[in-house]
Amino acid sequence: DADVTQTPRNRITKTGKRIMLECSQTKGHDRMYWYRQDPGLGLRLIYYSFDVKDINKGEISDGYSVSRQAQAKFSLSLESAIPNQTALYFCATSDTGTGKAFFGQGTRLTVV
Amino acid sequence: GEDVEQSLFLSVREGDSSVINCTYTDSSSTYLYWYKQEPGAGLQLLTYIFSNMDMKQDQRLTVLLNKKDKHLSLRIADTQTGDSAIYFCAEIPYGNNRLAFGKGNQVVVIP
Repeated sequence: DADVTQTPRNRITKTGKRIMLECSQTKGHDRMYWYRQDPGLGLRLIYYSFDVKDINKGEISDGYSVSRQAQAKFSLSLESAIPNQTALYFCATSDTGTGKAFFGQGTRLTVV
Repeated sequence: GEDVEQSLFLSVREGDSSVINCTYTDSSSTYLYWYKQEPGAGLQLLTYIFSNMDMKQDQRLTVLLNKKDKHLSLRIADTQTGDSAIYFCAEIPYGNNRLAFGKGNQVVVIP
């Protein structure tokens, strides 16, 4: 089983719809992240959480929200999806001591 | 600053060596990392180097760190087709606690 699991793996949704991307981890890490990947732009941080009660905005948080339901679960929501949110989304965890990060397989989201 | 810069594309013949370069701006980063992203997959940690080291070798991989110039490189010896991927360098700037990634370097290995 993967250490970091994202669901769904692929999703097509319509403009204006609310959508939630889910992430769960078995690494036992406190730190979790949501990134967005676009061609030529690398990885951009959307939100991150250093423990269950801690939520922080990243570089591009507008249009997104998150919920840290438990140490192992961190979900990303698009309240009203728009086409420029079409991208590959990654959840990650990291080890507090070494900073090593572990990524999920990604969710490919298409907003039409 | 958190800017991590990488060049975008490298083509290399199977069996040759490939070198990927990265520059970063925060000289106080404790660790610097290389991640590999294969097609259709998430990023996987490939190797990392502690900031008090100049070089780290791990089988076919050699990481060189030049702190004076804030330059990090990854050399892959005897490049194989399975090395075709996007490679990201990353750092955790001091006081930030968050990974800052470069834009990635796509390596294409030609058989």
